[in-house]
Amino acid sequence: NAGVTQTPKFQVLKTGQSMTLQCAQDMNHEYMSWYRQDPGMGLRLIHYSVGAGITDQGEVPNGYNVSRSTTEDFPLRLLSAAPSQTSVYFCASSSGTGPQETQYFGPGTRLLVL
Amino acid sequence: SQQGEEDPQALSIQEGENATMNCSYKTSINNLQWYRQNSGRGLVHLILIRSNEREKHSGRLRVTLDTSKKSSSLLITASRAADTASYFCATRTNTNAGKSTFGDGTTLTVKP
Repeated sequence: NAGVTQTPKFQVLKTGQSMTLQCAQDMNHEYMSWYRQDPGMGLRLIHYSVGAGITDQGEVPNGYNVSRSTTEDFPLRLLSAAPSQTSVYFCASSSGTGPQETQYFGPGTRLLVL
Repeated sequence: SQQGEEDPQALSIQEGENATMNCSYKTSINNLQWYRQNSGRGLVHLILIRSNEREKHSGRLRVTLDTSKKSSSLLITASRAADTASYFCATRTNTNAGKSTFGDGTTLTVKP
């Protein structure tokens, strides 16, 4: 299994541009989530999904959209990039939504917005 | 706001010494998990301790949980240079559909 994969690894955007960060998992996990990590800080939840067709907002959802059309994929869209969205973005998945479930993280996407 | 707060923010020790990191949180939890993050990489799950457990071991890792003080500690014994990383605690409740709330992490440097 490849686990959780993310593309691209690194991206530079200009203010106002839009883009989609890709996330895929091959473990048939129902639960997927997106986090951002700013320098020297922990992860903050952006959006999450408990299954195909179901998404919900996390702690910092503004400026981001998600969709979950398949179990495997959970793309994160930046609608109009802003410098404040410069961060490292991590996608994670787990087999269930129960609190005992372990989350598996992707390697991250480093985003720089100029 | 962050649920978990780690202490200290940074820790530097010699190889072979023990490293202790602490995590405090604010609300009642179902479990607390510790993760490691090597520089430039994603997070790797280390250990989960449930709210009804007080101590848990995994190899050189020892985790304690004190729900009355809303705190947890991670002890790494006989540290190695390869243990150099950032360590995060994350909490989960029964009502948040599996969402984890992370602290800001402790950066551990183990000098060879």
